Amino acid sequence: DTGVSQNPRHKITKRGQNVTFRCDPISEHNRLYWYRQTLGQGPEFLTYFQNEAQLEKSRLLSDRFSAERPKGSFSTLEIQRTEQGDSAMYLCASSVSSSTDTQYFGPGTRLTVL
Amino acid sequence: AQTVTQSQPEMSVQEAETVTLSCTYDTSESDYYLFWYKQPPSRQMILVIRQEAYKQQNATENRFSVNFQKAAKSFSLKISDSQLGDAAMYFCAYRSWGAQKLVFGQGTRLTINP
Repeated sequence: DTGVSQNPRHKITKRGQNVTFRCDPISEHNRLYWYRQTLGQGPEFLTYFQNEAQLEKSRLLSDRFSAERPKGSFSTLEIQRTEQGDSAMYLCASSVSSSTDTQYFGPGTRLTVL
Repeated sequence: AQTVTQSQPEMSVQEAETVTLSCTYDTSESDYYLFWYKQPPSRQMILVIRQEAYKQQNATENRFSVNFQKAAKSFSLKISDSQLGDAAMYFCAYRSWGAQKLVFGQGTRLTINP
């Protein structure tokens, strides 16, 4: 068990560029979550997968955002045509379906849009 | 929609003393989960303690305990014998029964004075 990993840890991009982040959950965790955390705030839910199915999306997830989990293992979060308001920490978490269903978080990807 | 409020942006405590972090939430649901997460500087978020709303007994985990007041919709975290390693942002979070997303408060930054 190596924990949830996220790559890259930091990303600096220019406004209008596309970026993609990767999340590798804890092995055998069938649920995967994406959250966004802006400076000084708590994380906000973006989307959630159970296996490869995307079961819930927040209204925060605009058309420029897309998330995939093609084989039910790792997930990617893509932001197209980035805007300065997209600058934030993007957190991934995973859990296993159970009565406790505790979410374990990764270290996050910090995005800076210039 | 559920909301979580942490009214103390910052708290400080002397090492070895006890500190209590406050959290209130708003919900019309009767079954739910409450959590405290810790986010150390530049490190990933980890679960400190969880409480099921149907349980009257307050959860405890070593030096961490909660005071869950369901009628008042209050969920405070008490840290006993504070240690330097307890310094972090602490987030209170809510999860509906049968749902997956966590709703976080704004966080409380805890400083431990040696």
